[in-house]
Amino acid sequence: EDQVTQSPEALRLQEGESSSLNCSYTVSGLRGLFWYRQDPGKGPEFLFTLYSAGEEKEKERLKATLTKKESFLHITAPKPEDSATYLCAVQASREETSGSRLTFGEGTQLTVNP
Amino acid sequence: DAGITQSPRYKITETGRQVTLMCHQTWSHSYMFWYRQDLGHGLRLIYYSAAADITDKGEVPDGYVVSRSKTENFPLTLESATRSQTSVYFCASSDRNQPQHFGDGTRLSIL
Repeated sequence: EDQVTQSPEALRLQEGESSSLNCSYTVSGLRGLFWYRQDPGKGPEFLFTLYSAGEEKEKERLKATLTKKESFLHITAPKPEDSATYLCAVQASREETSGSRLTFGEGTQLTVNP
Repeated sequence: DAGITQSPRYKITETGRQVTLMCHQTWSHSYMFWYRQDLGHGLRLIYYSAAADITDKGEVPDGYVVSRSKTENFPLTLESATRSQTSVYFCASSDRNQPQHFGDGTRLSIL
């Protein structure tokens, strides 16, 4: 059974204070790891897909990295508008020809104070 | 505007009633998904569809029914609502092996 565990559950930062969110996963063959951002009252918004260990993706103040067991979402010099819940999800290789299903973690709720 | 829309945004109903949540996407994506999001559980897949007239169960399908007669629509029906089905429901769509894109959800309360 595929599993995704995110830590910490909640994180409070001061504006400009860099940090990282963790996503640990267990999957029988990883096809892709996905990061989403979710604002209150909204649906998840796609950020990145990572496919292989060592891969990195960047978008503004966010950088996602991937190893064989976990992914990190690094937030550099965050701003209050980065406050949101960040979700991690994995897609198993078997889904490539079947359902394209994802398994989600419970998310990290990030608050950035001005 | 292109995108994925869910309706209604909010719904209150009583136990035992039938309720249908609607999902419509304008991208012509082949895959569509229904999730529920609850504290302590995160997003859990209820049902998904790979194409019109093709549906399959996800992690938590009991008590739900889906249909997909047209590519762009994927309604979710609770045939006899129970309090345990109080949740926020999200619909998503994607092409095969592409990122899923989500609607803004339906907040459903069952009294």
